[in-house]
Amino acid sequence: AQSVAQPEDQVNVAEGNPLTVKCTYSVSGNPYLFWYVQYPNRGLQFLLKYITGDNLVKGSYGFEAEFNKSQTSFHLKKPSALVSDSALYFCAVRDDTGGFKTIFGAGTRLFVKA
Amino acid sequence: DSGVTQTPKHLITATGQRVTLRCSPRSGDLSVYWYQQSLDQGLQFLIQYYNGEERAKGNILERFSAQQFPDLHSELNLSSLELGDSALYFCASRGDTGELFFGEGSRLTVL
Repeated sequence: AQSVAQPEDQVNVAEGNPLTVKCTYSVSGNPYLFWYVQYPNRGLQFLLKYITGDNLVKGSYGFEAEFNKSQTSFHLKKPSALVSDSALYFCAVRDDTGGFKTIFGAGTRLFVKA
Repeated sequence: DSGVTQTPKHLITATGQRVTLRCSPRSGDLSVYWYQQSLDQGLQFLIQYYNGEERAKGNILERFSAQQFPDLHSELNLSSLELGDSALYFCASRGDTGELFFGEGSRLTVL
């Protein structure tokens, strides 16, 4: 079965500094990978996805993610963090075995300090 | 606004009771996904429907059931509720390129 792992429960970064939220994946076949963000008391919002093509994927709100096949990673990055980026971030993978379901990682809470 | 509508937003009930959560997908989307989000177990996939048919099943308890109606709205029925069923329940629909669009969730509290 497809799965993703987010090794960090929490990431702390100062405003203006670059941020990275890590994700590793385990898939059979080609990976379909996603990042979502959840603000307090809200539903998840789609940020970006990797299906095929360029290893650097650009998404919403200035976020980007780097797909690395040899390291089976899909880390989320942003060059300059904002306080408003503080939220819960989920990495996800599409699992097409037995239907098109999306499996989420445990989530990483990002705190950006002013 | 994702275009996915969920009701009710909040629900408080007692153990042993039954509740129904409702979801309307984005206009034009045929699929509906249900997820449970609790503090200790993250976001758990429950079940998926596509155009009225069940397509995938995850960690859904036998006390829980769902269906998707001809107008494409979906209902998640939770019965014989236990304290541990307290959670946020999300519905999502899938866009043409695979991303999910989530509703705002239904927060269930079982007392």
